[in-house]
Amino acid sequence: DTEVTQTPKHLVMGMTNKKSLKCEQHMGHRAMYWYKQKAKKPPELMFVYSYEKLSINESVPSRFSPECPNSSLLNLHLHALQPEDSALYLCASSSRTGDEQYFGPGTRLTVT
Amino acid sequence: GQSLEQPSEVTAVEGAIVQINCTYQTSGFYGLSWYQQHDGGAPTFLSYNGLDGLEETGRFSSFLSRSDSYGYLLLQELQMKDSASYFCAVKGGKLIFGQGTELSVKP
Repeated sequence: DTEVTQTPKHLVMGMTNKKSLKCEQHMGHRAMYWYKQKAKKPPELMFVYSYEKLSINESVPSRFSPECPNSSLLNLHLHALQPEDSALYLCASSSRTGDEQYFGPGTRLTVT
Repeated sequence: GQSLEQPSEVTAVEGAIVQINCTYQTSGFYGLSWYQQHDGGAPTFLSYNGLDGLEETGRFSSFLSRSDSYGYLLLQELQMKDSASYFCAVKGGKLIFGQGTELSVKP
């Protein structure tokens, strides 16, 4: 199984809502990542988890809160987002940090 | 600081060969990767160069010169399905992506 899955595929939320994005991999990878991608731009790293511990937070606003419940799962909790947070949110995993990354299909988020 | 430069757009015809260049300035360089992303899709890994030289995977090859801080992705026998964005990415403590090159393959 070389697949990273993400749910939901699409999400529309208001600025006062709380929602969560979910990511799952069963490749035994010990590094997992959240990226944000705007149209026609490269993926922008948000968080890195290594062995279920947060190892990199790229100065992301606190309205984004990551969580790694176990080695296969990664969540991104969203609260009080702004319209400019609308983007494609990608999850990725790799054997170790820095190795080849496998990306999930992403969640297309729209904040109204 | 860290920066990668690659052309923003490249156009080629089916069956042709195209080269996408990438120059980089980074600290803690371990290697250069290439990712492909179709419109509406997720990035997928294409190749990795940790050492100088050429790596070949089917129709795609990638080259790295560490002394020149330069690499390229070579796509041969272009097909319409190769129309996509191509990102070079530097492997350090994390992946740093270039801005991407949009490749359009015309019939």
